[in-house]
Amino acid sequence: DIQMTQSPSSLSASVGDRVTITCRASQSTSSYLNWYQRKPGKAPKLLIYGASSLQSGVPSRFSGSGSGTDFTLTISSLQPEDFATYYCQQSYSIPWTFGQGTKVEIK
Amino acid sequence: EVQLVESGGGLVQPGGSLRLSCAASGFTFSSSWMGWVRQAPGKGLEWVANIKQDGKEKYYVDSVKGRFTISRDNAKSTLYLQVNSLRAEDTAVYYCARHGYFVFDIWGQGTMVTVSS
Repeated sequence: DIQMTQSPSSLSASVGDRVTITCRASQSTSSYLNWYQRKPGKAPKLLIYGASSLQSGVPSRFSGSGSGTDFTLTISSLQPEDFATYYCQQSYSIPWTFGQGTKVEIK
Repeated sequence: EVQLVESGGGLVQPGGSLRLSCAASGFTFSSSWMGWVRQAPGKGLEWVANIKQDGKEKYYVDSVKGRFTISRDNAKSTLYLQVNSLRAEDTAVYYCARHGYFVFDIWGQGTMVTVSS
């Protein structure tokens, strides 16, 4: 199984800050890497697919990069509605696996 | 409106069973891979199972193989997850999701399964 490790596990940031979350795979996933946002009581929401493609309707302040084993999710200017938990997920091989999550909190 | 609505969760004793359902609307269900993902309290997301459009290919995470069965009724646009021999570690919110091209692009709100005596 491919293990996904995110860092940091949590972070505190202010509105307007640039935020970067990293995700490392235990083996190459090519560009088969997706990012999701999860808010309490709500369904997970797809943000980025294929490592760097922005899902329709997702604000352009979200971006993804990377390939192989190392990936990054960047929020260019954090907004109040962005405080949530973010998960990476590899879709290279079954079992599909997720990172443990990164909780973004208000500073 | 694109929508997935889960139902069927509840409190069940260890060793018990439940059938979870997921009603789809707003997209062509019969043309979509579908799956279940769960989240245990305080834990991250875990993929559980996937099923192909015609129901002939199914995949499971090792921890549920032999206990859970994914199925679908394309005429009713409904996805199912039969969960048997439940254990405390199966306690989680179970989400139904459309598995598009290598990505879970539509998610339901989830249904809670609690396994406890």
